[in-house]
Amino acid sequence: ELKVEQNPLFLSMQEGKNYTIYCNYSTTSDRLYWYRQDPGKSLESLFVLLSNGAVKQEGRLMASLDTKARLSTLHITAAVHDLSATYFCAVDHSYIIQGAQKLVFGQGTRLTINP
Amino acid sequence: EAQVTQNPRYLITVTGKKLTVTCSQNMNHEYMSWYRQDPGLGLRQIYYSMNVEVTDKGDVPEGYKVSRKEKRNFPLILESPSPNQTSLYFCASTRSGTGELFFGEGSRLTVL
Repeated sequence: ELKVEQNPLFLSMQEGKNYTIYCNYSTTSDRLYWYRQDPGKSLESLFVLLSNGAVKQEGRLMASLDTKARLSTLHITAAVHDLSATYFCAVDHSYIIQGAQKLVFGQGTRLTINP
Repeated sequence: EAQVTQNPRYLITVTGKKLTVTCSQNMNHEYMSWYRQDPGLGLRQIYYSMNVEVTDKGDVPEGYKVSRKEKRNFPLILESPSPNQTSLYFCASTRSGTGELFFGEGSRLTVL
């Protein structure tokens, strides 16, 4: 059974600081996604990582994937208040081209950035 | 604008009263799915559909039904809702190739 664990689950940090959210998973997969959710809102796609070593950056966020370590990181650089949200990673271990997409989500990391 | 539309957004109902949550996407995606989100449990897949007339169970299908008669629509049916189905529900459609999900705005359901 595929398990996806995020660390930490809660993170409170100050503006201007750097931090990393970790996403570990238990079964081999080459596909991992990061989503953002604001309170009371839907999930918004942030990054799609489709191979070992993939690195994507958007503004102050950077995501990477190490399939050998079964680990993805979401790095926040010089945090600003607008980045406060819950961040989810999701791991896919059966590709859609084979029919059944099996996407398993982590528990989410609630990030609060204080002025 | 590419979007996934769910209705209703909020619903309070009573045990046993059948209800349907509609979902429609305008991106011509073949793959659609339903998730429920509960505090501390993240998102869990209820059902998915790979194309018209092709559906299958996800991780938590008990108490739910789905149908896929048209490519754009994927309704979620609760035949006899119970309080443990009180949750936030998301419909999603998937971009082929990347597997990226596009979520609807969510439907918050309360069963009394």
